[in-house]
Amino acid sequence: SQQGEEDPQALSIQEGENATMNCSYKTSINNLQWYRQNSGRGLVHLILIRSNEREKHSGRLRVTLDTSKKSSSLLITASRAADTASYFCATDGSSNTGKLIFGQGTTLQVKP
Amino acid sequence: DGGITQSPKYLFRKEGQNVTLSCEQNLNHDAMYWYRQDPGQGLRLIYYSQIVNDFQKGDIAEGYSVSREKKESFPLTVTSAQKNPTAFYLCASSIAPGLAGQETQYFGPGTRLLVL
Repeated sequence: SQQGEEDPQALSIQEGENATMNCSYKTSINNLQWYRQNSGRGLVHLILIRSNEREKHSGRLRVTLDTSKKSSSLLITASRAADTASYFCATDGSSNTGKLIFGQGTTLQVKP
Repeated sequence: DGGITQSPKYLFRKEGQNVTLSCEQNLNHDAMYWYRQDPGQGLRLIYYSQIVNDFQKGDIAEGYSVSREKKESFPLTVTSAQKNPTAFYLCASSIAPGLAGQETQYFGPGTRLLVL
């Protein structure tokens, strides 16, 4: 079952602009992760935020988590053409099995 | 270089044929996972293994089988019972399932399976 739902499904912006992607999930979680996928490639881990954290930064990435609303957002600041990719959120559904439940993803296009 | 390798990059299956996708990791990770990705969709879990000689079904295990005889290897067989196998298959691993601080999954480059 797909726990994460992402919004928007597709996003097109100009280089230098900020990109915001949202993720909603259904059950309680221990943590939420964001991954990036370039076309036809494997996924790469970007950032993990735990259920007791509200915000986390990594370089140009900023992730927020609102457990009361069961939602998270990923902000990419000062976007570059190389940021063009699909972005997925993944939750662990409070399990300790290591299993992740992925959202449908947001496809980001950054125009030079 | 440490990492996860998948082979082949492209695989063609004929009707009624079983095919096996390879996944190897040299990261010394305990857990390994197989996902299926359809165009424009997220990843769906097929099977996962938390330790050698043990594996569990994921959300869409029907028509697939796996083995975990070695820590480094987690091959996926797409059987003839899988009626719609055309998809992108991704293998991943993680250090230890459910261990706090070790939740990140590391992905291989994927295998694209096409039906002739």
